[in-house]
Amino acid sequence: VQLVQSEPEVKKPGASVKVSCKTSGYRFSTYPINWVRQAPGQGLQWMGRIRVSHTMTKSSQRLQGRVTMTVDTSTTTAYMELRNLSSDDTAVYYCVKSRGVTGDSFDYWGQGTLVTVTS
Amino acid sequence: QSALTQPASVSGSPGQSITISCTGSSSVIGDSSLVSWYQQYPGKAPTLMIYGNINRPSGVSLRFSGFKSGNTASLTISGLQAEDEAVYYCCSFGVNIDVIFGGGTKLTVL
Repeated sequence: VQLVQSEPEVKKPGASVKVSCKTSGYRFSTYPINWVRQAPGQGLQWMGRIRVSHTMTKSSQRLQGRVTMTVDTSTTTAYMELRNLSSDDTAVYYCVKSRGVTGDSFDYWGQGTLVTVTS
Repeated sequence: QSALTQPASVSGSPGQSITISCTGSSSVIGDSSLVSWYQQYPGKAPTLMIYGNINRPSGVSLRFSGFKSGNTASLTISGLQAEDEAVYYCCSFGVNIDVIFGGGTKLTVL
């Protein structure tokens, strides 16, 4: 199982960023994909998840309205777009595979994508 | 939402055992919540160590064990080794709530 994420990004406040996550080695449609972020020197924050089979999403209350999660089943790639960026959004963003179908834990993580928001 | 509380740091000598606690309100880590634990080295992605409160993924050392009772979960590492020095995060998966991570506990092996 591998999750390979896109390269680091530098964005200005107010802009949007879209991070990709190319998966391989498992049945993509079976397991939810989650997004977790980590600000510099801080802890982990769950952003949301997408159930690939029917593309149903659930976002954290804190980010609702600013985050969109999508998938491309033809390329087994997941995407996360975050809008209206501020300096508080500077973080490493991880895509993470749920361990089970219902998603009770995270068993495989991408390498992380650093998004830096600076004017 | 309410937080999951972990001690900021714990330490132990090689060969000793340590326990990291993870506590929250019943709405965050109630009876139906499932807790998992993650190990993170500096600059690396986290790794799953315990899922479903007590289960070890294949490949994780038997020295790692999880427990949950009421609103508190715990991770015990026995026979401490230098390689165990890392930050450990608990995570609660509840019903109809966001997934919540604890603040992380830095384990120092003396």
